[in-house]
Amino acid sequence: GAVVSQHPSWVICKSGTSVKIECRSLDFQATTMFWYRQFPKQSLMLMATSNEGSKATYEQGVEKDKFLINHASLTLSTLTVTSAHPEDSSFYICSARPGLAGEDRSETQYFGPGTRLLVL
Amino acid sequence: AQKITQTQPGMFVQEKEAVTLDCTYDTSDQSYGLFWYKQPSSGEMIFLIYQGSYDEQNATEGRYSLNFQKARKSANLVISASQLGDSAMYFCAMREGATGGSYIPTFGRGTSLIVHP
Repeated sequence: GAVVSQHPSWVICKSGTSVKIECRSLDFQATTMFWYRQFPKQSLMLMATSNEGSKATYEQGVEKDKFLINHASLTLSTLTVTSAHPEDSSFYICSARPGLAGEDRSETQYFGPGTRLLVL
Repeated sequence: AQKITQTQPGMFVQEKEAVTLDCTYDTSDQSYGLFWYKQPSSGEMIFLIYQGSYDEQNATEGRYSLNFQKARKSANLVISASQLGDSAMYFCAMREGATGGSYIPTFGRGTSLIVHP
């Protein structure tokens, strides 16, 4: 149980294009999903908290217009990197916290396998 | 100030030996959760173990145990009988915010563990 998928697993794109990354919880529903960014040999940096049916909560320093997050259903959140540039190249990981709002939700968040983005 | 501190950038252990990975945390919340994740070279984050701030007993999951010392604000991970497949990055993480309310995750910088034969 508690499987999270991410698609695509890797993507190479030209500077200026937009890239959409999908995060799905396969065997559970999740009101809350998280998006992280990780540079080589560094820790995970929380970018935003994605809440189903409402706007995402972005961490300080993360551009909302650059990184568009949509949490369309209880099993799907998407991250769109708009007008990608080489400095956006990174490893993006999503996670999902099982459970619905108003319930006694899981303490543990489960991670997807990550998406490696390379912007040329 | 860092909320999660992992002071060991790298650790070496011989196969079948036990190893302790250090983690200290900083929070003013009364209710919080502590986690350890393993990240192999493939990049996937694998959940290992969880300890709630109100849990009186140390958490255990198979070969993993969490040495929770609340007064010292430490949550060290102990891996018994190390295996070659345990070689990976290990991240300590904390969830702040009241249970059922806000949920704010923070990760440490990680410790690279290498298990050698």
